[in-house]
Amino acid sequence: EDQVTQSPEALRLQEGESSSLNCSYTVSGLRGLFWYRQDPGKGPEFLFTLYSAGEEKEKERLKATLTKKESFLHITAPKPEDSATYLCAVSNFGNEKLTFGTGTRLTIIP
Amino acid sequence: AAGVIQSPRHLIKEKRETATLKCYPIPRHDTVYWYQQGPGQDPQFLISFYEKMQSDKGSIPDRFSAQQFSDYHSELNMSSLELGDSALYFCASSLDSYEQYFGPGTRLTVT
Repeated sequence: EDQVTQSPEALRLQEGESSSLNCSYTVSGLRGLFWYRQDPGKGPEFLFTLYSAGEEKEKERLKATLTKKESFLHITAPKPEDSATYLCAVSNFGNEKLTFGTGTRLTIIP
Repeated sequence: AAGVIQSPRHLIKEKRETATLKCYPIPRHDTVYWYQQGPGQDPQFLISFYEKMQSDKGSIPDRFSAQQFSDYHSELNMSSLELGDSALYFCASSLDSYEQYFGPGTRLTVT
């Protein structure tokens, strides 16, 4: 059974203070690793897909990286509007469903 | 760009009643997924449809059923509602089983 563990559960940063969120995964044949952002009461917003170890993707202040066992979401010089829950999910080649981690709740303090 | 549309956005039902949630995928997307997210929890996969056929099934109660219609919209039917069914229900769609794009969700409250 696919498993995803995210850490930390919650993270408070000062505006401009860079940090990283971790996603460890166990999957039988990784099809893709996905990062989403979710604001309270709203649907997850797609950020990145990573398919193979060594792959990196960037979008504004966010950069996602992937190894064979984990993924990191690096946030550089964050702003208050980056405050949200960041979800990591995996899918395997046997099916298309996403298995999510419990997320990291990020708060950026002005 | 067009996004996934879900209706209704909020729904209040009593125990043992029936609810129907609707999902309109992004145009030309061929796969629809349903997820349930309880308070403070991560989304849990319920069921998916590819080209109007059920393609995968997760932890969906027998009281729930779903289908995808000829225009690709999907409906999740929930019967004999229980208090524990109160949650956010998300629909997502994808093309060729790649990135899943989520709708805004339906918040179901069972009283």
